[in-house]
Amino acid sequence: GQNIDQPTEMTATEGAIVQINCTYQTSGFNGLFWYQQHAGEAPTFLSYNVLDGLEEKGRFSSFLSRSKGYSYLLLKELQMKDSASYLCAVTDSNYQLIWGAGTKLIIKP
Amino acid sequence: GAVVSQHPSRVICKSGTSVKIECRSLDFQATTMFWYRQFPKKSLMLMATSNEGSKATYEQGVEKDKFLINHASLTLSTLTVTSAHPEDSSFYICSASEDDRGSSPLHFGNGTRLTVT
Repeated sequence: GQNIDQPTEMTATEGAIVQINCTYQTSGFNGLFWYQQHAGEAPTFLSYNVLDGLEEKGRFSSFLSRSKGYSYLLLKELQMKDSASYLCAVTDSNYQLIWGAGTKLIIKP
Repeated sequence: GAVVSQHPSRVICKSGTSVKIECRSLDFQATTMFWYRQFPKKSLMLMATSNEGSKATYEQGVEKDKFLINHASLTLSTLTVTSAHPEDSSFYICSASEDDRGSSPLHFGNGTRLTVT
């Protein structure tokens, strides 16, 4: 079966750095997405990785290792508004998007 | 950037009535749109894939006669919840991509919160 694992919940302090991990087992791989979703709102796109390595975009970076079936989202200089759920999603060989259950990130002052 | 508009954002209806939700891609053509349902504190659950000019593809366990999907043009897909019941109360979200190969990010509508009384 196809499976994406990410921690259910994480807590971090304002101004700090947090890394949210995502591991996947899918039928093929055609890219990995990270989305941010605030409570009661639709998800918004954060990043896309299809090749191994680190993609940096401002305070957010995303890393991919295809051989390990592993990705992480790194958030630096955390702000209170970063409190949200972070969803990892993988496109499989049939270009179907498989969603993780999301990681709820709680930022404390 | 690409924008997906979803309407209405909130709707309250009585049990037994039908509700139509619209999803429009405003500045790009979307041959494929996706409809999701999300329960509180849960991840997105794909309900169906809407294909322009053809029948929608429903996920296992989703009743196609209850959740009618019409994708009549390259910029509009509609989801109609027929004979709604309180258990249909949920957050419904549509999304679309600028390509069909899954390499472009999904653009989401703002969602519709449906409450069936």
